[in-house]
Order: sequence, then C-alpha cells, then structure tokens
Amino acid sequence: DAKTTQPTSMDCAEGRAANLPCNHSTISGNEYVYWYRQIHSQGPQYIIHGLKNNETNEMASLIITEDRKSSTLILPHATLRDTAVYYCIVTVYGGSQGNLIFGKGTKLSVKP
Amino acid sequence: DTAVSQTPKYLVTQMGNDKSIKCEQNLGHDTMYWYKQDSKKFLKIMFSYNNKELIINETVPNRFSPKSPDKAHLNLHINSLELGDSAVYFCASSLLPNSYEQYFGPGTRLTVT
Repeated sequence: DAKTTQPTSMDCAEGRAANLPCNHSTISGNEYVYWYRQIHSQGPQYIIHGLKNNETNEMASLIITEDRKSSTLILPHATLRDTAVYYCIVTVYGGSQGNLIFGKGTKLSVKP
Repeated sequence: DTAVSQTPKYLVTQMGNDKSIKCEQNLGHDTMYWYKQDSKKFLKIMFSYNNKELIINETVPNRFSPKSPDKAHLNLHINSLELGDSAVYFCASSLLPNSYEQYFGPGTRLTVT
C-alpha cells in the first residue's frame, strides 16, 4: 500500500472551510484514497473515498489531483464538532482483506 | 439505534485474568473486525470475521481469540492478561469482506494492573 504524508496539525476557524492535504506520491493505479476521522474518545469514522474523480458527500469533498499524487479533504463549513484527527489512507480496493492501516493523521482544531 | 456497540466501555483488571469484550452490530454487515489502539494512538487491526470465518489474523498473541456466535456479534476473549494489553479496543463492521468502508464502535478501554 502507498505511503501517505499528512501535516501533524492544523487550525481552522469555525464556519470556514477546512482543507486537509495528503501526499501519496507513490500511489499506484488501482489504489483508492480513503479518509477517516477520530473524534476524541470515539471510534474512527469513515468520511469519504475516491479513485481519481472528485467526490462529495454530506460530510465532505475529496479533491484528487490529476496525477493522483496528492489529495485534499474539504470540510466546507467547519464546526467545533469537527475537531478530530483526520487520517488519509491509500489502499487497493478489495486488497489486504479490509486491513485499514492508520498512520499518524492530522490533528484538526476548529476554533471559535 | 447504535450501529456498532461494545461492552463494557471500561475494563480494569489484574494481570493474569481472563476477560471478554463484546461487540454487536445491527447494520446487517457481513464482516466484523477488531482493532487495537495503543497509548501512542496507533490503530492496528487484530482480526476480522466474515460469515463466521476468520479471514485476517494479524500477528497477535494466541491469548487473544475472537469468537463469533452469529453474524451480528464478534466477541474478543483475552486470556492471561498482561500489562502490555492495556489499550483501547475497537470493534468495526463492513457490508462486504475486504471493504475499507468500515463502521466503528465506541471502543473499550482496557487497563491491566
């Protein structure tokens, strides 16, 4: 599975968009980008995933660059409840038997 | 209406004891998982079950054994607990095997003294 690099921490003002970057320069053609988050003292929460097209759901948008070497998770209007550690995971769909490999993630702090 | 639930939420026990953590999902998913989050916050998969069959068994001590009485439950049994077993254990489920869209429970914080 491709390795990912994320900033250790980021701050965002409440109500503003939070843009969380992820570098995955060694991603291969059949690897997807998944995003999870973990709010303090809770279990990880699935957010979104994509292969090469931009994706949007009720929680966030995922923008993947054309060369697929990086991506950005966008929370359009961050709230205090979005304060969490965000994990970018790159993995082959259906591979590794569902073994999610979590890195260190980005600690997002949303401030009033 | 909790999708994935775990009991207990906290578990404090002494070294050498045997304990179990229960997990239930009401999502109708086919596959369930157990993850361990250590003190450094790293999350690592331990096991997964698909239709009562173990399909992942990472290099965890054989003191840990998952048991699935039915598709909706995957319990984690731990024998001869050690100090290093102290961690937060998360149960998760997915609709399909090999799926990375997984839904996690709230976690069980195990403290071994």
